Amino acid sequence: GAGVSQSPSNKVTEKGKDVELRCDPISGHTALYWYRQRLGQGLEFLIYFQGNSAPDKSGLPSDRFSAERTGESVSTLTIQRTQQEDSAVYLCASSADRGPGEKLFFGSGTQLSVL
Amino acid sequence: AQTVTQSQPEMSVQEAETVTLSCTYDTSESNYYLFWYKQPPSRQMILVIRQEAYKQQNATENRFSVNFQKAAKSFSLKISDSQLGDTAMYFCAFMKHEPASKLTFGTGTRLQVTL
Repeated sequence: GAGVSQSPSNKVTEKGKDVELRCDPISGHTALYWYRQRLGQGLEFLIYFQGNSAPDKSGLPSDRFSAERTGESVSTLTIQRTQQEDSAVYLCASSADRGPGEKLFFGSGTQLSVL
Repeated sequence: AQTVTQSQPEMSVQEAETVTLSCTYDTSESNYYLFWYKQPPSRQMILVIRQEAYKQQNATENRFSVNFQKAAKSFSLKISDSQLGDTAMYFCAFMKHEPASKLTFGTGTRLQVTL
């Protein structure tokens, strides 16, 4: 596609429920990143994919968070047993990974609200 | 670990005037990249300008320029001839000089351009 696409745009869920957030990167981009942005804060790194593998998961805040990527394309971020502190915008980015300093292209994010 | 600090939570500038947003960072790396991203209400992060640390010349992109002081670890953004469309959150970010490195962000500066 023309850009990074994320769905849903907004998600409201009840505490304790599981949620899945989807990211469609730019076609051909091998690197994919997930970030979390709490209200009024900067972006916190969650996880990075190179192809379908995740060499850096260091930002996942707890074992309730997991992510996968298939076909070197779509990625899904899953949050189990959601808590109110999980409320945030979840942003996905991709890059062509041609070398150091490669530009990241971001989607518009999913606004997650946990009631 | 790298840290990025933006000490101005909010700034205001009149249309057509010039404004400077501050950013400092801390790293033990000798080579790296620095970025300014703009985030309008649409939430999508838009790359404004990019600086390679080994280049002494300050980067410029039309009305946007940076003042990169490597020894002081300072990376400020100057916006000239401010326009109403420049109203947004601005984030400073750091990237290591290695393939597919993640971005480390500051907490952002909210810029309001007024008539």
